[in-house]
Amino acid sequence: NAGVTQTPKFQVLKTGQSMTLQCAQDMNHEYMSWYRQDPGMGLRLIHYSVGAGITDQGEVPNGYNVSRSTTEDFPLRLLSAAPSQTSVYFCASSPSANSGNTIYFGEGSWLTVV
Amino acid sequence: AQSVTQPDIHITVSEGASLELRCNYSYGATPYLFWYVQSPGQGLQLLLKYFSGDTLVQGIKGFEAEFKRSQSSFNLRKPSVHWSDAAEYFCAVGTTSGTYKYIFGTGTRLKVLA
Repeated sequence: NAGVTQTPKFQVLKTGQSMTLQCAQDMNHEYMSWYRQDPGMGLRLIHYSVGAGITDQGEVPNGYNVSRSTTEDFPLRLLSAAPSQTSVYFCASSPSANSGNTIYFGEGSWLTVV
Repeated sequence: AQSVTQPDIHITVSEGASLELRCNYSYGATPYLFWYVQSPGQGLQLLLKYFSGDTLVQGIKGFEAEFKRSQSSFNLRKPSVHWSDAAEYFCAVGTTSGTYKYIFGTGTRLKVLA
């Protein structure tokens, strides 16, 4: 079972470059989200979506854009990469916006900005 | 403000010893409570969750957690640790009203000595 699929797994960017982290889920989940994981800081929510066409900001949205044109896909765009965006990024999904649901995580994308 | 605290950044136990990982939360009501485990280079996997009812919750891999309302705690326990349990463990809270979201603790890294 595919679950939540993220690509790429590893990426090195130069400061100022842009890129998109792809996320797809095949579970027909309404709720999708992006987190970044940094040492000693746990997971912090960047953006989330409660359904196709609906997105909202999380805890640390600056420097990132998202869109949700389909239920399956939720790409994260870095418009102008900065070294502070060096992190591990996780896409996650759950059946609905009810936070009692289990969250399913992708395997992560390691991003280094030099 | 809502928060989750995992006071132990690192814990080392010997294989076969018992384990308790601490989690305290701050929230105005009883939230949904989760424990996730992250193996190196992997995403997060759900160990167990608490919504209501019996305050002792059983999870996968022999883990259990106990919700104590009076202490705002949800500690994770295992009677006998195996070397394969070495990983990072995250406690999380799911809010039960308003803008639904998940709040993660900063994680506890478990090392198991042979």
